[in-house]
Amino acid sequence: GQQVMQIPQYQHVQEGEDFTTYCNSSTTLSNIQWYKQRPGGHPVFLIQLVKSGEVKKQKRLTFQFGEAKKNSSLHITATQTTDVGTYFCAGPWVRGNTPLVFGKGTRLSVIA
Amino acid sequence: GAVVSQHPSWVICKSGTSVKIECRSLDFQATTMFWYRQFPKQSLMLMATSNEGSKATYEQGVEKDKFLINHASLTLSTLTVTSAHPEDSSFYICSARYKDGTVQETQYFGPGTRLLVL
Repeated sequence: GQQVMQIPQYQHVQEGEDFTTYCNSSTTLSNIQWYKQRPGGHPVFLIQLVKSGEVKKQKRLTFQFGEAKKNSSLHITATQTTDVGTYFCAGPWVRGNTPLVFGKGTRLSVIA
Repeated sequence: GAVVSQHPSWVICKSGTSVKIECRSLDFQATTMFWYRQFPKQSLMLMATSNEGSKATYEQGVEKDKFLINHASLTLSTLTVTSAHPEDSSFYICSARYKDGTVQETQYFGPGTRLLVL
């Protein structure tokens, strides 16, 4: 079946180091969305990428959508302890009004 | 921004009882609502898709007679876990989608309901 895969599953970094998580879909996505879930919390919407090759930035976060609309990445520059949490990518397939399918997430821990 | 609420946020119940969880879109009308389940340290798994006024569409492996979904209005959907058992203990999260004027619809999540069945 259709799947969204994310790597790595876990990432431990020293505060100030960079962090990247990668998302790959088995089929073309209509768009890709990124969410952050803090420990004990619920997923919070970060951003949506729609266009092939799109790049968006939010302060220290850079999001990319691949040319084939099957992969995406989230890069955090100079991580801070407030970046701790699990980052999920999610996308609907190119078939109309379909629900989001989530990747397994990347759990980020930042050591001060 | 779009706000989705869930009630209750926490529930502890005895095995065999039924639990109802409410999901409301507070400042918009949701074209569709989704119910997800998340076990500890795992991703969100879609349980069902709910459209107002019609029957919910359940994902494979989700028992529709056990997880009753009622989508009474464009702002309210309920999930009832019938005859709950300890293995139903999980974090249940609803999500509401609305048309934001562009081609793509945006999906917003509620704060979740933690269910513990003893």
